Amino acid sequence: QKEVEQNSGPLSVPEGAIASLNCTYSDRGSQSFFWYRQYSGKSPELIMSIYSNGDKEDGRFTAQLNKASQYVSLLIRDSQPSDSATYLCAVRNTGGFKTIFGAGTRLFVKA
Amino acid sequence: GVTQSPTHLIKTRGQQVTLRCSSQSGHNTVSWYQQALGQGPQFIFQYYREEENGRGNFPPRFSGLQFPNDSSELNVNALELDDSALYLCASSVGTGSSGANVLTFGAGSRLTVL
Repeated sequence: QKEVEQNSGPLSVPEGAIASLNCTYSDRGSQSFFWYRQYSGKSPELIMSIYSNGDKEDGRFTAQLNKASQYVSLLIRDSQPSDSATYLCAVRNTGGFKTIFGAGTRLFVKA
Repeated sequence: GVTQSPTHLIKTRGQQVTLRCSSQSGHNTVSWYQQALGQGPQFIFQYYREEENGRGNFPPRFSGLQFPNDSSELNVNALELDDSALYLCASSVGTGSSGANVLTFGAGSRLTVL
């Protein structure tokens, strides 16, 4: 079982739609969860961090965490073509000495 | 921010390479990742206060250093073809600080092994 699993996609949504990205993790003791965006040829950049169960909203982005199900998701409302990128789910392990990334989900937003 | 050098380099199998990174000011932790094409970043190791305190599934020929001036190095000996990848350096502040464990990445060093 991979430590952090994501659907590799590609996920294609029309402009203005909601994009839903999902992630599961194996380390039940993990406490910190992150979504990073990576444009082609660029390095990852942080979109959201979430540390407690529930929803966290920031503009068009909402991160959701369910520790009992070991599940993290990212919703992007009113998707724009500029949101087209690879979205990486990352989990800080128990003990906090490494952050593990999933393989990423490629998102395409069609104009 | 985080700066890395060189941005691109080409080596041959069996050679050794050193990649360099300058962390963001105020960050006390540096992590190195390997990202193959189409894959997520793979954790190599983490340094905190000049000591390695976490390591991923990479062989000992991958080694690192962290210096008091916030700079760090990744050294890879006996290069193999599969070492061709983008190497990312990321700095952060440790647990207990505001924004703890949020990684700030450099632009990366792309290594090609022929």
